[in-house]
Amino acid sequence: EAGVTQSPTHLIKTRGQQATLRCSPISGHTSVYWYQQALGLGLQFLLWYDEGEERNRGNFPPRFSGRQFPNYSSELNVNALELEDSALYLCASSLVIGVLTGELFFGEGSRLTVL
Amino acid sequence: QKEVEQNSGPLSVPEGAIASLNCTYSDRGSQSFFWYRQYSGKSPELIMFIYSNGDKEDGRFTAQLNKASQYVSLLIRDSQPSDSATYLCAVTPAPYYNQGGKLIFGQGTELSVKP
Repeated sequence: EAGVTQSPTHLIKTRGQQATLRCSPISGHTSVYWYQQALGLGLQFLLWYDEGEERNRGNFPPRFSGRQFPNYSSELNVNALELEDSALYLCASSLVIGVLTGELFFGEGSRLTVL
Repeated sequence: QKEVEQNSGPLSVPEGAIASLNCTYSDRGSQSFFWYRQYSGKSPELIMFIYSNGDKEDGRFTAQLNKASQYVSLLIRDSQPSDSATYLCAVTPAPYYNQGGKLIFGQGTELSVKP
């Protein structure tokens, strides 16, 4: 069974540009989560999507946005990139019960570098 | 005070020894506690979760929870070089019913098991 897949693996952008990251959850998982892992800061919760709706959002500015498609895949958009947005962006998926159990299955991540 | 605190390490133990990883959390209402393992350059994977005070054993791993002291630990018995990784402690915020999908992670403890 395929795990959570993310693309691109690496992305280099300059300040002010926009970045789009993509995620495909494990088959059968309806919930998709986005986390940012910046150097020295640990994993920070960004967004949770379930059944196409944004269910919860972390303490990030509105220029971080995303959506979930009918096939449960998701994309994360970061507008007006800033240097501090450089980080590993991890997507995770879970079954509905995973929302309660915290059992998240993570992808390998997309590393965004902002120059 | 950080919401979830871990010693960053590195924690170095000899092969065959017991590795003890510790985590404290600030939200007394947290209900669920998790240990994720992250190998260098890889995504986090769930290895243990615990909800109730006391010990929970799974193979060589034992999770310990003390809600009164707001303390979670992970013991790894008979440590192997393959256990060398960063161990992330995560908790669910309270009240979880309206913060679904969000885990609060510590910064992780780097464990090195020497042959």
